[in-house]
Amino acid sequence: GAGVSQTPSNKVTEKGKYVELRCDPISGHTALYWYRQSLGQGPEFLIYFQGTGAADDSGLPNDRFFAVRPEGSVSTLKIQRTERGDSAVYLCASSLAGTNTGELFFGEGSRLTVL
Amino acid sequence: TQLLEQSPQFLSIQEGENLTVYCNSSSVFSSLQWYRQEPGEGPVLLVTVVTGGEVKKLKRLTFQFGDARKDSSLHITAAQPGDTGLYLCAGMRGNTPLVFGKGTRLSVIA
Repeated sequence: GAGVSQTPSNKVTEKGKYVELRCDPISGHTALYWYRQSLGQGPEFLIYFQGTGAADDSGLPNDRFFAVRPEGSVSTLKIQRTERGDSAVYLCASSLAGTNTGELFFGEGSRLTVL
Repeated sequence: TQLLEQSPQFLSIQEGENLTVYCNSSSVFSSLQWYRQEPGEGPVLLVTVVTGGEVKKLKRLTFQFGDARKDSSLHITAAQPGDTGLYLCAGMRGNTPLVFGKGTRLSVIA
């Protein structure tokens, strides 16, 4: 597709459940980022991939959060034992190169609601 | 502690008015970007500034990077309802990922 695609657009789950959020970046973009945006806040960095490897995962809040990008394209953000505080919009972005250069292209986000 | 402080948090103005929003920090940034975000969408880049004192214009929008590269401003001339949205500044320091402020939510009333 022309832009960054994220699925699902909305996910409602119960506390304690496992969720996966998928990001399909712009073709050819080597860098991929996950951010989380809570209501009334700006995007908060979670993790950054350069190719297949996680170049910086310092923003992951705890070990319930994990992300993969096995073939250097699509990425999946995985959240185990979800908590109500995990409710937010999870934004994925991609860029042609890594940090320090250029524009981040964001998807529309996956809105996660944990009941 | 928020690395980038944006002000005001909310702004509601009449069509045709001018406005300025601010992005401030105690840290020095190698570059700073401004994004606009509309409801249900991801942020979209407006501009990147990299040199202290730099001024960039995008139609009715004027962006300035502070001389010390710690702050930035966005000035909109003759605001239109289409300018409504959340304006986010985001800074880059060295090789660290982009850090965002909380944003200024602008509403332009026709």
